[in-house]
Amino acid sequence: EIVLTQSPGTLSLSPGERATLSCRASQSVSSNYLAWYQQRPGQAPRLLIYGASGRATGIPDRFSGSGSGTDFTLTISRLEPEDFAVYYCQQYGNSRGTFGRGTRLEI
Amino acid sequence: EVQLEQSGAEVKKPGESLKISCKGSGYSFTNYWIGWVRQMPGKGLEWMGIIYPGDSDTRYSPSFQGQVTISVDKSITTAYLQWSSLKASDTAIYYCVRFLDSVMAGDHWGQGTLVTVSS
Repeated sequence: EIVLTQSPGTLSLSPGERATLSCRASQSVSSNYLAWYQQRPGQAPRLLIYGASGRATGIPDRFSGSGSGTDFTLTISRLEPEDFAVYYCQQYGNSRGTFGRGTRLEI
Repeated sequence: EVQLEQSGAEVKKPGESLKISCKGSGYSFTNYWIGWVRQMPGKGLEWMGIIYPGDSDTRYSPSFQGQVTISVDKSITTAYLQWSSLKASDTAIYYCVRFLDSVMAGDHWGQGTLVTVSS
């Protein structure tokens, strides 16, 4: 099973700053199958990025994804108040998926 | 509009059985994988397994294989997650998720079903 390690566990920033979140896989992941989600308190997760770099429908362009192989990054260029949430990466490989443990983005 | 409507919250005792549901609408139900994701209280997301309604091909995470059963009734566009004998550690929110086949990313999520197992 592929293990995803997200870092940092918690990221403290201010509105307007740039956020860089990391997701490292224990073995190579197909870029097609790397996604990022945002989860606000009390809500279901929301898809942000699919295929490592594709933005999901309705996602603002301040969110971008990059990376390949075992190292992937989610970047939020200018933080808005509503971006403070928990972010998860997810991969699918060998007929099953796994999530990272999440990065909490806090003010 | 794509919607995944999950069944309501459940309170059960250890050892009891349970089946929760997820009804899909607004899209071709048989052409997208449906998965289940667990979120224990205050914790992260865990991939449980997925099913393809078109042919009922089912794939489980090793952690959940043998612990739960995922099924589907495509005639009523509904997926299910069931337990034969609940444990207190099954207490969690369970989300059903529609996955895009080409990228296996969950683009639509149900509202979640809270399952509480307590004696």
